[in-house]
This record gives sequence, C-alpha cells and structure tokens, in this order.
Amino acid sequence: SSELTQDPAVSVALGQTVTITCRGDSLGTFYAGWFQQKPRQAPLLVIYGKNTRPSGIPDRFSGSASGKTSSLTITGAQAEDEADYYCASRDTSGDHVLFGGGTKLTVL
Amino acid sequence: EVQLLESGGDLVRPGGSLRLSCAATGFTFRNFAMAWVRQAPGKGPEWVSGISASGGSTYYIDSVKGRFTISRDNSKDTLFLEMNSLRGEDTAIYYCAKDVNRVVVAPVVGFDIWGQGTLVSVS
Repeated sequence: SSELTQDPAVSVALGQTVTITCRGDSLGTFYAGWFQQKPRQAPLLVIYGKNTRPSGIPDRFSGSASGKTSSLTITGAQAEDEADYYCASRDTSGDHVLFGGGTKLTVL
Repeated sequence: EVQLLESGGDLVRPGGSLRLSCAATGFTFRNFAMAWVRQAPGKGPEWVSGISASGGSTYYIDSVKGRFTISRDNSKDTLFLEMNSLRGEDTAIYYCAKDVNRVVVAPVVGFDIWGQGTLVSVS
C-alpha cells in the first residue's frame, strides 16, 4: 500500500494562479485524478490522466506530473473555485485506489 | 441525462446488513467499470470497491474484504453493494461512481460521474 500526501490548505488571490500538489510513491507509475468538492456535494472530476479535462470543466484547470509528484494548476482562479481538492491514484500494487487527504483552497 | 441514483442507505445496528443499489441512466453502463466510494462525516473520500465492466473482476479495500460484496446487473444498468457485519467505522455517505475505464486496474484514475450518495449509519 502507499499514501498520497497533500498540503492541507492553500490560498490564492482572485485571478491569480495556484498549484496544488500531491506526492506519493505510486505517482511514479500511475497518473493522478483530481477532484473538486464543494460542501454538501459529491466530488467532481476536474483532471485525469496526463492532462485530460472532462466535458464542462473550464480550461483554467490543468494537470502535470514529475517524478512522484502530481500537480493541479488553476490559472486565473475564480471565486467559484473555492473548494476542497483531492488527488487520487492507484496504490503501489495497482489493485486499489487511494485518495489524498485533500487541500482546502481559499480564493481571496 | 447521465445520472447515477443510489438507494438503500439506512440506520443499522452493528453487525447488521444493508444492500445498496445504484441505477445508471444516460450512458452505456456495460462498457465501464464502476466503483463505490464512501465519505465519513468531515473526512475525505475513501475508495471502497471496484468492479470491471463485465463484472468478472472485483476489488476491495482491506477493511471491507470478506464483509462487502460488489456486483452489477448489466441487463438492468444497476450496481450493488452488499454490506454485512457492519461496524461503526462504516458510517459514511456511500457514492457510486462511473469509472472512465473499462477495467478497474488501469494506469488512469478517474470517476467522472457520481451519484448524490446514500447515508449509511451504523449505531
């Protein structure tokens, strides 16, 4: 098994760029998926694979990876982007899915 | 409209059982792997179980192995989670989620459609 580690909280000024990171051994082998969750809502997939946005996700969301770190970047953050963000990937065995602990994004 | 609708959550005593269902509409259910993901109050999501598109391969988080069984009926576009020997730590909102992949074990993790969730309380 393995873990995915995220910073608990990040803040960004309105209209600026913010990067949320996710670290874990399995990220050297598997891609991360990124989910946005607002209060009392189900998680919403915003990025998966190398850098794929599901239909309807604004292009200000992008993903990247380097070594054992995956990153979600929001270019020109909007007030509606304030939410919890979770990364997810396989564990090192590949059989299970792990979620990171989440990053609370505040848009100032 | 693409939609997942869970049902079956309830308040149950420790040691009890529940069967969750998830009805899918708006996409070709039989072409995609599916998963159950739970979220305890104030906590992040936790993947519980996954099943391949055909139903031939299933996977579980260690804490539910031997107690929970995931299954699917592709003729009725429905996903199930049979939950036995329930414990307090199983208390959570249970979401069903559509995988972007046909198989569970794939390099890419992505659950692109989620239900609204159903609450399981064990107390």
